[in-house]
Amino acid sequence: EPEVTQTPSHQVTQMGQEVILRCVPISNHLYFYWYRQILGQKVEFLVSFYNNEISEKSEIFDDQFSVERPDGSNFTLKIRSTKLEDSAMYFCASSVIREAEAFFGQGTRLTVV
Amino acid sequence: GENVEQHPSTLSVQEGDSAVIKCTYSDSASNYFPWYKQELGKGPQLIIDIRSNVGEKKDQRIAVTLNKTAKHFSLHITETQPEDSAVYFCAAIENTGNQFYFGTGTSLTVIP
Repeated sequence: EPEVTQTPSHQVTQMGQEVILRCVPISNHLYFYWYRQILGQKVEFLVSFYNNEISEKSEIFDDQFSVERPDGSNFTLKIRSTKLEDSAMYFCASSVIREAEAFFGQGTRLTVV
Repeated sequence: GENVEQHPSTLSVQEGDSAVIKCTYSDSASNYFPWYKQELGKGPQLIIDIRSNVGEKKDQRIAVTLNKTAKHFSLHITETQPEDSAVYFCAAIENTGNQFYFGTGTSLTVIP
């Protein structure tokens, strides 16, 4: 069964450092998403990506965040200068069409110390 | 933007009993409503979904109902089993949007 894979599963970084979270979406999917979930809270939308550009982003997705699809298979989320409040589980998701089942990866737990 | 409310936040049921989780949404343009199950340490997994042109959908022990007029939708799990224990999230997406709006989650515990 096809699945969305994310690496690493856990990342610990020092405040102010840059991190890159990686995702491999399902191969025939066209829409890609990043969501985050702070411990015990709801899943929050960060950004959606279609046709090699951002299609929508939330208020959370400020200038310290960026996304890229560098090689047609990977989809990355970069946080330029991490803050303590960036500590969360980050989920990548993909879907065939916009209003359809989004498949989520297992998540990357980011801990900023 | 859309606002999705979910109740209850925690729910405990005896094995074999039914569980019902309810969500409301604010944007009448929302037209797709998935339910996700999240087990500890894993990503959300879709368990059932419904579109706005349908009032009810059933898949074995799981069913979802949608009331467009009242803007609420519910997840029904019958004959609950211990492996149903997880956090359940409802979500909504509107027909021109690109993001899912998630509810706050319901932690379901099925007591053997």
